[in-house]
Amino acid sequence: DVKVTQSSRYLVKRTGEKVFLECVQDMDHENMFWYRQDPGLGLRLIYFSYDVKMKEKGDIPEGYSVSREKKERFSLILESASTNQTSMYLCASSFASRGAETQYFGPGTRLLVL
Amino acid sequence: EDQVTQSPEALRLQEGESSSLNCSYTVSGLRGLFWYRQDPGKGPEFLFTLYSAGEEKEKERLKATLTKKESFLHITAPKPEDSATYLCAVYNFNKFYFGSGTKLNVKP
Repeated sequence: DVKVTQSSRYLVKRTGEKVFLECVQDMDHENMFWYRQDPGLGLRLIYFSYDVKMKEKGDIPEGYSVSREKKERFSLILESASTNQTSMYLCASSFASRGAETQYFGPGTRLLVL
Repeated sequence: EDQVTQSPEALRLQEGESSSLNCSYTVSGLRGLFWYRQDPGKGPEFLFTLYSAGEEKEKERLKATLTKKESFLHITAPKPEDSATYLCAVYNFNKFYFGSGTKLNVKP
């Protein structure tokens, strides 16, 4: 079974704090993704990575950065957390071959920024 | 504009009352259409991938179908444990497009 894990299920942070969200997958997937999910807006892609040390901006990268130093691990960084970054954050991974590969999601991290 | 639209937004069914959820898309160059189930506070769980019009996939009480413009998720004789939000996603040449989901509530 594919397993994608995220470091925290719930986080509470203060405005201006630097926040790290970590994601680990155990299926040797090339691609990894970070999304945020908000009511009425669906899933929106923040960043994705198709290889170690490679990253591409998604639809809403502002205020976020990412790091992929190892194939199995993809980190999302909120440089200076703001209240509008309160959201559910979802990590996903997939194989790269053929293009239309299924994304497998982690359990999510619910972040509250006060 | 490339987009994925799911309807209805919410659906309440009695246990055993069959129905269908719709996912319509205007995304060009479809390479795959995906259905996920999401329980409250959890990540989406993969259900099906459909690659071409006419394809069908089944799993227990769920059956997914695909045409050139839309996909249906048919739920036959649903049970309360089928209550969840069902998400549809479309992949074209280089991007996934997600719908906003249909929240299904099955009453005993």
